[in-house]
Amino acid sequence: AQTVTQSQPEMSVQEAETVTLSCTYDTSESDYYLFWYKQPPSRQMILVIRQEAYKQQNATENRFSVNFQKAAKSFSLKISDSQLGDAAMYFCAYRSAGGSWGKLQFGAGTQVVVTP
Amino acid sequence: DTGVSQNPRHKITKRGQNVTFRCDPISEHNRLYWYRQTLGQGPEFLTYFQNEAQLEKSRLLSDRFSAERPKGSFSTLEIQRTEQGDSAMYLCASSRLAGVADTQYFGPGTRLTVL
Repeated sequence: AQTVTQSQPEMSVQEAETVTLSCTYDTSESDYYLFWYKQPPSRQMILVIRQEAYKQQNATENRFSVNFQKAAKSFSLKISDSQLGDAAMYFCAYRSAGGSWGKLQFGAGTQVVVTP
Repeated sequence: DTGVSQNPRHKITKRGQNVTFRCDPISEHNRLYWYRQTLGQGPEFLTYFQNEAQLEKSRLLSDRFSAERPKGSFSTLEIQRTEQGDSAMYLCASSRLAGVADTQYFGPGTRLTVL
C-alpha cells in the first residue's frame, strides 16, 4: 500500500516571501500521479498542481512549482511571492496510474500561515 | 460548471440515529468519490462510482455505511446507527473519465457531529 507523509504540520511565511512544503511517499509502482491540493478554512479543496511520474520536467502553475525527485520519492511544493490568500491547509496526494479507479491517498497536511 | 454541491453542510445527530448525505457532482462527470476527513488528517477514500456502478469500497466503509448513485447523477451516503466515531467531514468529489489523467473536483463537504 502506498503512504504519503507530510512532516511539517505548520509553516509560516511572510507576504512576498517563498515557502517550501515537503512531501514524501512510499510506493512500488513506477507509474503514478502526484498532486497538491489547497483547503482554505471552511472552503472546499481545490487542485493547486499535478505531476505525472513519467515526466521528468517539474510542473509549474504561476507562483506554484514542484520539485519532483522520483528516485527519492519526494514531491515538494514551492509557493513564491506568498499572498494572504495562500493561507490554507495544503495536502499532498498520490494516485496510482492503474488498477485503483483513481482514488487519491492524502498526507496529513501542512498548515500554511501567511503574515503581513 | 457549477461545481460539486453537498447537502446538508452540517448535520448534528444523536448516537444511534440514521443520517443521509447528498452529493451532486458536476454535470457530465461520470466518476464520483466519497472521502472522509477527520480533524487534523487528510481525506481518506471511502467509495467510488463510475456512472451508477459502485466499483470500489474501502474497508473503512463498515456495514453501517451504504452509498448509492441510482441514475449515475447524484449520490447519497447513508450511515445507520451512527456512532461518535463517525463524526467527521464527508467529502464528495467528481471527475470526468478521460483516460487516467482526470482531475477530481471536491465539494464543500458535510460536517457530521454525533452526540
